[in-house]
Amino acid sequence: DQQVKQNSPSLSVQEGRISILNCDYTNSMFDYFLWYKKYPAEGPTFLISISSIKDKNEDGRFTVFLNKSAKHLSLHIVPSQPGDSAVYFCAAPSGSARQLTFGSGTQLTVLP
Amino acid sequence: GAVVSQHPSRVICKSGTSVKIECRSLDFQATTMFWYRQFPKQSLMLMATSNEGSKATYEQGVEKDKFLINHASLTLSTLTVTSAHPEDSSFYICSARDTLGNQPQHFGDGTRLSIL
Repeated sequence: DQQVKQNSPSLSVQEGRISILNCDYTNSMFDYFLWYKKYPAEGPTFLISISSIKDKNEDGRFTVFLNKSAKHLSLHIVPSQPGDSAVYFCAAPSGSARQLTFGSGTQLTVLP
Repeated sequence: GAVVSQHPSRVICKSGTSVKIECRSLDFQATTMFWYRQFPKQSLMLMATSNEGSKATYEQGVEKDKFLINHASLTLSTLTVTSAHPEDSSFYICSARDTLGNQPQHFGDGTRLSIL
């Protein structure tokens, strides 16, 4: 059972426009969510997170929105830049060790 | 910021070889480290949770005798792929969390393992 889902494997956006990456989850016990960015042959880099007690968290060009009733979160990047091109994973910690469960990732391509 | 170092970044070796991968937290102490595996165009799959001073906890389907984990100090965890075969070829990534258990986890840059 995939508890964290990213249904869009890829997304292309023009430079300067908004990128919206979506993530759905099934486990209502998740209380914290993270977005990571990953380049090929590198480890994921933490971008932004949100606690389940909030519905929005903003950090510069990155904003994460959480809709608990819909079990949905999204990452907005505005304005998008070519350097943002990467695979984006959403993740949620659970279990006694707070290990992360990852979505399948979305390849974002920002076109110049 | 917090940094996790993973070494080596790339390994190419013959079938039957055992390969050790190191994961170090450079500027924080990590009671818990995690080992993930990523197949091409797929997500990161948790293999095991490594706890300093105790046995690792393996996810279902991961052979503990195949993937030996040692977490002897608060800054170092090692993963040894024993008697590696071509099907073990993959991208292995470690992550670490500080002793307070704070998120986010910080990741190493991964190890590309290729077994011929």
